[in-house]
Amino acid sequence: QKEVEQNSGPLSVPEGAIASLNCTYSDRVSQSFFWYRQYSGKSPELIMSIYSNGDKEDGRFTAQLNKASQYVSLLIRDSQPSDSATYLCAVKVGNNAGNMLTFGGGTRLMVKP
Amino acid sequence: NAGVTQTPKFQVLKTGQSMTLQCAQDMNHNSMYWYRQDPGMGLRLIYYSASEGTTDKGEVPNGYNVSRLNKREFSLRLESAAPSQTSVYFCASNRDRGNQPQHFGDGTRLSIL
Repeated sequence: QKEVEQNSGPLSVPEGAIASLNCTYSDRVSQSFFWYRQYSGKSPELIMSIYSNGDKEDGRFTAQLNKASQYVSLLIRDSQPSDSATYLCAVKVGNNAGNMLTFGGGTRLMVKP
Repeated sequence: NAGVTQTPKFQVLKTGQSMTLQCAQDMNHNSMYWYRQDPGMGLRLIYYSASEGTTDKGEVPNGYNVSRLNKREFSLRLESAAPSQTSVYFCASNRDRGNQPQHFGDGTRLSIL
């Protein structure tokens, strides 16, 4: 079992809809959770971080964390074609001494006009 | 603010050739990382350096060596390139304390013929 899992997609949503991206992780002591957006041919770009259970909102993005169920999700409201990208979930697994992150394989999101 | 700078951006090698990928960050981060990204495989950690003078293996270290030259620079060397090392290589850095996200360079696209 992979430590961080995401559905590879593609997830296709119409413009203006809510896109929901999910990520599960296996290590219960994971502390930090990050969402990165990666456009084709570009490097990963941090869009959200979340550390506590519950929701965290930033503009059209909402990250949701449920440590009991070991999942973290990203909601994108009013999806735009420019949101079309691969979204990577990253988790600081366990109590590693440094700040190493484990990445999921990414979910490809397609927003159709 | 340059952030994380990688050179070169593109490179084509023949099997058996050697080369060094360069990475430098100007954010005064202690920790630096090298990843490779292959289609369908997500980001896989090759090596990391938690601080100046230290390096450790990641998930896929075989065929690579690294040097943490100083706090700013972390290089990745392929001694004898193989076609299986064709990939996109990303360097990243972050602070070594707290739950800090990683910041990525633009990547090096490496093809080995």
